[in-house]
Amino acid sequence: RKEVEQDPGPFNVPEGATVAFNCTYSNSASQSFFWYRQDCRKEPKLLMSVYSSGNEDGRFTAQLNRASQYISLLIRDSKLSDSATYLCVVNVGGTGGFKTIFGAGTRLFVKA
Amino acid sequence: DAGVIQSPRHEVTEMGQEVTLRCKPISGHNSLFWYRQTMMRGLELLIYFNNNVPIDDSGMPEDRFSAKMPNASFSTLKIQPSEPRDSAVYFCASTPDPVGNTIYFGEGSWLTVV
Repeated sequence: RKEVEQDPGPFNVPEGATVAFNCTYSNSASQSFFWYRQDCRKEPKLLMSVYSSGNEDGRFTAQLNRASQYISLLIRDSKLSDSATYLCVVNVGGTGGFKTIFGAGTRLFVKA
Repeated sequence: DAGVIQSPRHEVTEMGQEVTLRCKPISGHNSLFWYRQTMMRGLELLIYFNNNVPIDDSGMPEDRFSAKMPNASFSTLKIQPSEPRDSAVYFCASTPDPVGNTIYFGEGSWLTVV
C-alpha cells in the first residue's frame, strides 16, 4: 500500500463548478499536511497547508481528519487557470529527521 | 530572490554514460532533497540532506545512483552507468525548516537516456 494515496483522475469539470479531491495516508505518525500544485512541465509549488481545524484560502478549502487519516481539498467556482495536478503531501517525523511524502497527484481539467 | 537552481535543464545521453545533475539550494536553507518524477511512479524522494549530511537515502534506487553535498550551497546527483529506465525529471528542492513545512523546488532536470 502506498503511503499517500490519491485518485489520479482526471477530473474534467466546467468553469464555475465545485470539485473535491481526497487523499489518504497510512502512517498515523504523520505530523503535517499540505496540498501542492503542479502545472504541466513545471515544478510543484505549495498551494496551502492543511490544519486540523480546516482552513480556507479564497476559493480553496482544505480539511484534515486525523482519525480517518484523510485529507481533502475543495475548489469552488473553478477557473480555467485551476487546471493542474494537485499533490497531497504528508510529513512524517522520525528519530533521524522527517520525511516528506508526495502522493501521485490528481489531475484537474477545467473547461470553458 | 534566486530560487533553487538546477543544471542542466535538459540532458539526452546514451545508455552507459555518466550523468551528473547539479543543484544550488536557496541560501540559508538547511535541508536539501532530490526527487525523481515519472508518469508511472509519480514523485519519489531519492535522498535528503540536513546541514549537508545525508539523513535518508532509502529512496536511492540502486548503487548506480549517488549524491553528495560538499557544502551548504551545492549538491550533485550522479548516475553511473545510466540506463533508459533512469529517464525522468529530477527535482532538487530545499527548505529552511527542519520540520519541512514548505519545500521549494527547482525547475527540474529533464533526463533522457537512449
